[in-house]
Amino acid sequence: EAGVAQSPRYKIIEKRQSVAFWCNPISGHATLYWYQQILGQGPKLLIQFQNNGVVDDSQLPKDRFSAERLKGVDSTLKIQPAKLEDSAVYLCASSLDQVRTEAFFGQGTRLTVV
Amino acid sequence: AQSVTQLDSQVPVFEEAPVELRCNYSSSVSVYLFWYVQYPNQGLQLLLKYLSGSTLVKGINGFEAEFNKSQTSFHLRKPSVHISDTAEYFCAVSETGYGGSQGNLIFGKGTKLSVKP
Repeated sequence: EAGVAQSPRYKIIEKRQSVAFWCNPISGHATLYWYQQILGQGPKLLIQFQNNGVVDDSQLPKDRFSAERLKGVDSTLKIQPAKLEDSAVYLCASSLDQVRTEAFFGQGTRLTVV
Repeated sequence: AQSVTQLDSQVPVFEEAPVELRCNYSSSVSVYLFWYVQYPNQGLQLLLKYLSGSTLVKGINGFEAEFNKSQTSFHLRKPSVHISDTAEYFCAVSETGYGGSQGNLIFGKGTKLSVKP
C-alpha cells in the first residue's frame, strides 16, 4: 500500500514570497490533516478535512495560509506571503475515517524562509 | 483544552539497557493516547495507541506503554534498546467522543532517544 505522498521535500524562499505544498493521501482515506512542525517542537494541527469539507481550521493563520482539497483527494497548502517564522516542516497525514482509525503521516516538506 | 508534557527532552542510554520515556497529559475530557516515532528526515510512525480496555498497550518494535488515569500519564518503555531505536519520540492525545478524531492530535515537544554502543 502506497503511503502519503508529499512534494516538494525541500523548499527555500525569501520572505514575502508565496509557496505551495502538495499532498496525495493514501487511496480511500477520507480524512486529511496538515500539521506544522517547528524545529524543537511537536507537530501542530493546522487544518483537518473530511472529504472536501473543512472540519477544523481553528489553528490556521487565515491571513496568510490557505488550504483546499478539491474532489476530496489531493490537497494543497499555500502560504502567501511567507514570514521568517513560517520556517518549519509541513506534514500531511490521512486516515480512513475521522474517528475509528489512526493517521498515517507523509515525510513532510521542509520550508526555509530567508 | 488538552496539553501534553514530555518530561525529558533528551534521553541517552546504552544499547541493551531498558528505557522509559515519560509523558503526562492534561485534559478536561476523555482522551485517546498515542506514541509516535520520528526518524531523521522522516514523517511520524505510530508506535502504539490506547483507546480503551487494558491499560497496558503493546506496540511495534518491542515498545509498550501503560495508561495511568489517576496520574494522567502514558509512559513508554522498552526492556532492551537497540542502536536502531535512536530517534525522536512524540506523545500525543486526541479527544474521544463526538468531534473527536484519532488524527486531530495534540503533541508533546518530543524526547530524543540516543542509544550508544
